[in-house]
Amino acid sequence: QVTLRESGPALVKPTQTLTLTCTFSGFSLTTGGMCVGWIRQPPGKALEWLALIDWNDDAYFSTSLNTRVTISKDTSKNQVFLTLTNMGPEDTATYYCARNSPETDAFDFWGPGTVVTVSS
Amino acid sequence: SYEVTQPPSVSVSPGQTARITCSGDELPNQYSYWYQQKPGQAPVLLIYKDSARPSGIPERFSGSRSGTTVTLTISGVQAEDEAEYYCQSADSSGTYNVVFGGGTQLTVL
Repeated sequence: QVTLRESGPALVKPTQTLTLTCTFSGFSLTTGGMCVGWIRQPPGKALEWLALIDWNDDAYFSTSLNTRVTISKDTSKNQVFLTLTNMGPEDTATYYCARNSPETDAFDFWGPGTVVTVSS
Repeated sequence: SYEVTQPPSVSVSPGQTARITCSGDELPNQYSYWYQQKPGQAPVLLIYKDSARPSGIPERFSGSRSGTTVTLTISGVQAEDEAEYYCQSADSSGTYNVVFGGGTQLTVL
């Protein structure tokens, strides 16, 4: 059974750095073709892809955010981490992590999401 | 930057067929994917690689492509299908970049 769950602070101050953790089970990020991505959704708005890391430790980033975002993994703990620097009010959103598998090449399992609010 | 475009809303009566389109210049060269999102929930994958359905997704959901447009078709729409639908593709012409459409709100009248 594949599950993912996001964790991290619910509130961050402007200019701070956000670090989120995705803890998953039911698959391995050492399997060829397997990836985990981060997607966010501001209140009432569309989904926005942020970053993706694959089994080979290659990372890909949204062109609109690539100077602020990093992604890393700890395969021994089944965790993927997202860091977003210089947070602003426009970064207030629900942040999701999701598995991207070689079978579907899609985000086929999602975590429930974690709400992050940026406010002083 | 690469974008895919969806209509903001589609309305249909129960039992009718709903068609939600997604347009983008890279769509002839990249697979498309469709997700359903209900309020307060995470998205659910409906269609992958243009037309394949994950296990557990009803057969009334189907995907197709024609040129720069892909279409999600929901046959025999049910009240429970009222949701936001997102198209997703990728742009690998430069650095790999995942793109989501702006979403389409399906209203079942």
